[in-house]
Amino acid sequence: EAQVTQNPRYLITVTGKKLTVTCSQNMNHEYMSWYRQDPGLGLRQIYYSMNVEVTDKGDVPEGYKVSRKEKRNFPLILESPSPNQTSLYFCASSLLAGGGRYEQYFGPGTRLTVT
Amino acid sequence: AQSVAQPEDQVNVAEGNPLTVKCTYSVSGNPYLFWYVQYPNRGLQFLLKYITGDNLVKGSYGFEAEFNKSQTSFHLKKPSALVSDSALYFCAVRDRDAGGTSYGKLTFGQGTILTVHP
Repeated sequence: EAQVTQNPRYLITVTGKKLTVTCSQNMNHEYMSWYRQDPGLGLRQIYYSMNVEVTDKGDVPEGYKVSRKEKRNFPLILESPSPNQTSLYFCASSLLAGGGRYEQYFGPGTRLTVT
Repeated sequence: AQSVAQPEDQVNVAEGNPLTVKCTYSVSGNPYLFWYVQYPNRGLQFLLKYITGDNLVKGSYGFEAEFNKSQTSFHLKKPSALVSDSALYFCAVRDRDAGGTSYGKLTFGQGTILTVHP
């Protein structure tokens, strides 16, 4: 089954404790992206990746890191989480040919609480 | 900078009536436009997209959307709403003329909660 998986689905942590949220897709997609969803703000793009070793900032990259060492994986790293990073996070992937015309497939989401 | 506006936080319609969820966008170049739906405690699902050509786009579950370049709008429509259509709807835009890797940037609206009453 074609899918995007994220782990963990739920995470409660404390300020400053480094964490990684994993994202993996099995569709051989070149493009992967991370978003955060906050009430009234919709989805905001954190980082995206056009292919292995190619990443770029979205609209809200501060406080986050990403890496793309393999095509299927795109982990999101919070080096020193703060309470304002409490949010619902989504990973997504898509084909990239044609200048970005393809729709994205979304993971189930990771609900992160930073206390 | 590109942007998307969904002017209505909530839309309420009666089952069987037509529904419209509004979306306006701003990009420097030409847009790729998308609609996604999110059911409670689920990820987003793709509904439909405008790439080029016919301004009326048909998608999943009987939804359609009309691209209007002069009004920079991409409103989502359905002729007859179902209670099961109740969900959170997102419009998104990508600038297909953006240079370098910038076309990877995808901007979403803040979302519209659609409630269909029996």
